[in-house]
Amino acid sequence: AQRVTQPEKLLSVFKGAPVELKCNYSYSGSPELFWYVQYSRQRLQLLLRHISRESIKGFTADLNKGETSFHLKKPFAQEEDSAMYYCALFGSSNTGKLIFGQGTTLQVKP
Amino acid sequence: ETGVTQTPRHLVMGMTNKKSLKCEQHLGHNAMYWYKQSAKKPLELMFVYSLEERVENNSVPSRFSPECPNSSHLFLHLHTLQPEDSALYLCASSPNPGGNTIYFGEGSWLTVV
Repeated sequence: AQRVTQPEKLLSVFKGAPVELKCNYSYSGSPELFWYVQYSRQRLQLLLRHISRESIKGFTADLNKGETSFHLKKPFAQEEDSAMYYCALFGSSNTGKLIFGQGTTLQVKP
Repeated sequence: ETGVTQTPRHLVMGMTNKKSLKCEQHLGHNAMYWYKQSAKKPLELMFVYSLEERVENNSVPSRFSPECPNSSHLFLHLHTLQPEDSALYLCASSPNPGGNTIYFGEGSWLTVV
């Protein structure tokens, strides 16, 4: 079964501290993984995708097929990073099914 | 506003009421979706439409009835809902149903009393 697991419901760090939001997945084929972010009172939006191997707002995520993980990392957290983060897996290409994890709230304290 | 627009943003309805959520996208996309976001569960895909045809229905109760009159508009008709249906309902669109870049609306907060 296709599944995305984000084990932490809340992650609280101080400004300037490193951040790692964990994501593990279960998928039988070649997965496409994404991180979506939802800032307070804003819509859910794409942060980054593994296929692009990009760094957005200082965040990076590496797909580790051996560990079936796609953890989101940032070396120095900023207060404006406080938001809800969702890891998502793109499943069937026929129907555009994007499967989300339960989300992790990141709280960056001053 | 460009992008994906949802109305109303907030809706309170009784269990015997009939109401509708509306979604409009100005991106020229061919696929539209309804997701449900509730406090205790992951985002759940409810329906997928491709060029006005429903291509997926994820075991959603019949008290939720989608309608896609054209590729720019998507409705979710609600009737005889239960309090546990209270949630944030998100509309989204993508260039094609197989596309993996999905754009979300801001959501409609539904409270069933």
